[in-house]
Amino acid sequence: AQRVTQPEKLLSVFKGAPVELKCNYSYSGSPELFWYVQYSRQRLQLLLRHISRESIKGFTADLNKGETSFHLKKPFAQEEDSAMYYCALSGGSWGKLQFGAGTQVVVTP
Amino acid sequence: EAEVAQSPRYKITEKSQAVAFWCDPISGHATLYWYRQILGQGPELLVQFQDESVVDDSQLPKDRFSAERLKGVDSTLKIQPAELGDSAMYLCASSRDYLASGELFFGEGSRLTVL
Repeated sequence: AQRVTQPEKLLSVFKGAPVELKCNYSYSGSPELFWYVQYSRQRLQLLLRHISRESIKGFTADLNKGETSFHLKKPFAQEEDSAMYYCALSGGSWGKLQFGAGTQVVVTP
Repeated sequence: EAEVAQSPRYKITEKSQAVAFWCDPISGHATLYWYRQILGQGPELLVQFQDESVVDDSQLPKDRFSAERLKGVDSTLKIQPAELGDSAMYLCASSRDYLASGELFFGEGSRLTVL
């Protein structure tokens, strides 16, 4: 069975400080991991995917298969980063996308 | 820019009543998903369609929930009868196909309150 765990419900950081959102997963096969974001009054949208190895809005995430983790990081948080962040895992024959419970990030000036 | 459309945005109903939600995915998207999001939790997949076929409904409470996508385009999710525990946000999403690297496009959702 696939499972995604986000241990932090709320993360409060100051503007300019680093931010790291934790995500751990369990999956028997080769996982595809994603981070989705929902800004206030906006739709849930894809932020980044591990397979692309890209940096989006200053965020990066590294897949660590040994630790079964996919933590999201940004060196200098901005106020516009305040949002709900969901880690997600795609697996199975039809690419079922399973979400974690989410982490609310609040960036204060 | 094309978006996933959902209606109604809000629905208040009494328990034991029937309720239906509609979703129109982005044109050309073969895969359609219905997720349920209970307050404080992440979205949970209820049903996934590939064209008009259901490919995953393992988490759909089939005694009261049904979903269809008759022509492989828009979709309807029905609950009958509604129960108090069904109060949640119902999200529809679509993707080009199930191999589209997890890039789902979400609608604004339909918020259901069961009294």
